[in-house]
Amino acid sequence: RKEVEQDPGPFNVPEGATVAFNCTYSNSASQSFFWYRQDCRKEPKLLMSVYSSGNEDGRFTAQLNRASQYISLLIRDSKLSDSATYLCVVNPGGFKTIFGAGTRLFVKA
Amino acid sequence: DVKVTQSSRYLVKRTGEKVFLECVQDMDHENMFWYRQDPGLGLRLIYFSYDVKMKEKGDIPEGYSVSREKKERFSLILESASTNQTSMYLCASRPPSDLSTDTQYFGPGTRLTVL
Repeated sequence: RKEVEQDPGPFNVPEGATVAFNCTYSNSASQSFFWYRQDCRKEPKLLMSVYSSGNEDGRFTAQLNRASQYISLLIRDSKLSDSATYLCVVNPGGFKTIFGAGTRLFVKA
Repeated sequence: DVKVTQSSRYLVKRTGEKVFLECVQDMDHENMFWYRQDPGLGLRLIYFSYDVKMKEKGDIPEGYSVSREKKERFSLILESASTNQTSMYLCASRPPSDLSTDTQYFGPGTRLTVL
């Protein structure tokens, strides 16, 4: 079993739709969680951290469920510019972080 | 803005060649990382460094070595390139470890093809 698993997609949604991605992790001692965004042929960039209480940044909402060991990312009112690959990232402690393989999102007009 | 640069965007080498990938960051970060990214596998950590001359193996160090002689520069070396090392190589830097944030700043990547 992979340490961090994501549905690879692709998710194809129309503009304005709400879309949600889940990510599961295997190490119950993991301490911090993040979502990165990677555009086609570009480097990953931090989108947002994920806190136990959940957090929101504009149209993006991230949630953490420690009991079930998953994190989620909700995108409301999808824009064409949201088309990208979304990487789930888990820090099990220390220097290392574990990246999921990513979920591809295509937003269509 | 943090800037991480990599020496080449595209590189083509032959099997058995020694390959050097250079990474430079301008934010005085202690931590630097080398990953490779392959379809369906995500980013996998090859090596990381938490200080000058310090290095630690990541998850897939076989066939690679690294060098960090200066804080701003972290080099990845393929001693004898093989076709299974064809991949996208991404360098990243990060400020001192802080569990509340994991902002790794990535370079643009080097797409290496080994023939």
